[in-house]
Amino acid sequence: QVQLQESGPGLVKPSETLSLTCTVSIYSISSGHYWSWIRQPPGKGLEWIGSVYGSVYHSGETHFNPSLKSRVTISVDTSKNQFSLKLNSVTAADTALYYCGRRVTGAYFDFWGQGILVTVSS
Amino acid sequence: QSALTQPPSASGSPGQSVTISCAGTSSDVGGYNYVSWYQQHPGKAPKLLIYEVSVRPSGVPDRFSGSKSGNTASLTVSGLQGEDEAYYYCSSYAGTNNHVVFGGGTKLTVL
Repeated sequence: QVQLQESGPGLVKPSETLSLTCTVSIYSISSGHYWSWIRQPPGKGLEWIGSVYGSVYHSGETHFNPSLKSRVTISVDTSKNQFSLKLNSVTAADTALYYCGRRVTGAYFDFWGQGILVTVSS
Repeated sequence: QSALTQPPSASGSPGQSVTISCAGTSSDVGGYNYVSWYQQHPGKAPKLLIYEVSVRPSGVPDRFSGSKSGNTASLTVSGLQGEDEAYYYCSSYAGTNNHVVFGGGTKLTVL
């Protein structure tokens, strides 16, 4: 059973950079699959942010939601079995529950973290 | 890319069947057999219910079934139980740039 755990600040100031890390247990990121970030604003639906491929053969290959692409960086650290999200120039609209998840080739997410609430406020 | 379209709510009595639709385009739902469905209870992370249109992961009851016709996918919950009351989200692969798009979610109420 793959386990994922999000970590990072729960409060970020407007215009600053949101930074989160997802630690993966029991499964090696470098074994493959797309490691992904998904967010859910309070009371709203899910939004795919982006994914990074974990295999050593395509390590670092990334794909992003076009609406967020200009502000997002997703990277992987295979030595720590972690992947990270950076979202810059945040506004109140970026306030959300942020989930990390494993995305399988068929574009579905089979394992999810518990989520971390990030509030953008001064 | 636009979000997939789901009805905001659905309901049914215990034992009945309910179908939730997920409308997309030929660039996502209609173009690939990569539609998935998730169940989310309040305060919990989403749980995978169906992948590749109609495949159930191990442990998901066969009361949950998925299908697709053209640009619209559907999730059917048969033999409704109280524990099925939750939000349901569809998702689809959305093209060669490896994009993924979600639906807006449907709140299922068991009357």
